[in-house]
Amino acid sequence: QITLKESGPTLVKPTQTLTLTCTFSGFSLSTSGVGVGWIRQPPGKALEWLALIYWNDDKRYSPSLKSRLTITKDTSKNQVVLTMTNMDPVDTATYYCAAGDHAFDIWGQGTMVTVSS
Amino acid sequence: QSALTQPASVSGSPGQSITISCTGTSSDVGGYNYVSWYQQHPGKAPKLMIYDVSNRPSGVSNRFSGSKSGNTASLTISGLQAEDEADYYCSSYTSSSPWVFGGGTKLTVL
Repeated sequence: QITLKESGPTLVKPTQTLTLTCTFSGFSLSTSGVGVGWIRQPPGKALEWLALIYWNDDKRYSPSLKSRLTITKDTSKNQVVLTMTNMDPVDTATYYCAAGDHAFDIWGQGTMVTVSS
Repeated sequence: QSALTQPASVSGSPGQSITISCTGTSSDVGGYNYVSWYQQHPGKAPKLMIYDVSNRPSGVSNRFSGSKSGNTASLTISGLQAEDEADYYCSSYTSSSPWVFGGGTKLTVL
């Protein structure tokens, strides 16, 4: 059974850096074709794709957020980490990690992050 | 990368069929057969319903089907049921990002 779970702070202050961890089981990020991505959803709004890392360490970022995002993986720990710098109240959202190859097959439960002073 | 265009809302009565459109460009929907659809109930994580334009993951009802024509993909739900009421999002591989989502469609079962 494939599962993913997001973890990180629920509250960050403006200008701070957010670090989120996706811990997964049931698959390996060293398997050809597999990727793990991050998607966020502000309250009452649509999904927004943020970043993706592939099994071969290829990394892709949303063009509009690329300067603020870094995605890394630790294959031995089955974890993917997303950092987002210079957080702003508009970044308040539920952040999901999800895995797949041609689509996001399996999603984590999501973690709500509020940006407020 | 602009979001894919979906209608804000659609509705239908139990037993009826509805179709949700997802319009992009030749750089995303029209250029790749990597269109997927997700169902999201309130307070829940999205669930994959269709991948690669028209394929259903194991366990997804065959009442859900997908198709594509040019730069527009479509999700059809036949035999509407009360539990189908949810938000639906399309997504496509793109030549730049590489992924983009639609703005979402709220399905109401009357």
